[in-house]
Amino acid sequence: GIQVEQSPPDLILQEGANSTLRCNFSDSVNNLQWFHQNPWGQLINLFYIPSGTKQNGRLSATTVATERYSLLYISSSQTTDSGVYFCAVERRFGNEKLTFGTGTRLTIIP
Amino acid sequence: DTGVSQDPRHKITKRGQNVTFRCDPISEHNRLYWYRQTLGQGPEFLTYFQNEAQLEKSRLLSDRFSAERPKGSFSTLEIQRTEQGDSAMYLCASSPPGLAPYEQYFGPGTRLTVT
Repeated sequence: GIQVEQSPPDLILQEGANSTLRCNFSDSVNNLQWFHQNPWGQLINLFYIPSGTKQNGRLSATTVATERYSLLYISSSQTTDSGVYFCAVERRFGNEKLTFGTGTRLTIIP
Repeated sequence: DTGVSQDPRHKITKRGQNVTFRCDPISEHNRLYWYRQTLGQGPEFLTYFQNEAQLEKSRLLSDRFSAERPKGSFSTLEIQRTEQGDSAMYLCASSPPGLAPYEQYFGPGTRLTVT
């Protein structure tokens, strides 16, 4: 199956700092989504981005499908950004199932 | 606009008991997915439905697990003869009809603890 690797596994930053999270995948994909998992376990959709660049407020994401990676940028971090960030992909011809990475745990210190 | 809902949110059961979870997808979403997440890992795919048809099952879904979506609306996931290894968060997601690929929206999950 497709492999999804996220880096770094853990990131601790001061409030106000910027960060870049990376997702590498091993095969062509139809779909790529970024999620934020809050402390209660809810997965919140951040971006649906199989290719290209999108921005939503302080967050933006870029997927370079031909090079098999995606980046999530968080600017001016706030304590509410803390949590685990997951990248998930649907392999091309992969029957719609998402394969998740192991996540990046982000901790924002006031 | 309500999101995906799951019930119960938490379930504690003794080993050997049967449990059933329910998922209500977003209105008019015809695709419904079940995932399982263990501590420190990302969610893993279990099965999915298009309307009432179950189209794929992961090999993670042993014979003790069964999922249904009888009328193409809500879905249930039953685990028979629970084992301690079944302790996990069970997540449900749905996606709308239309052309692939499909963005998936997740519910709050059901956290199962088997004692």
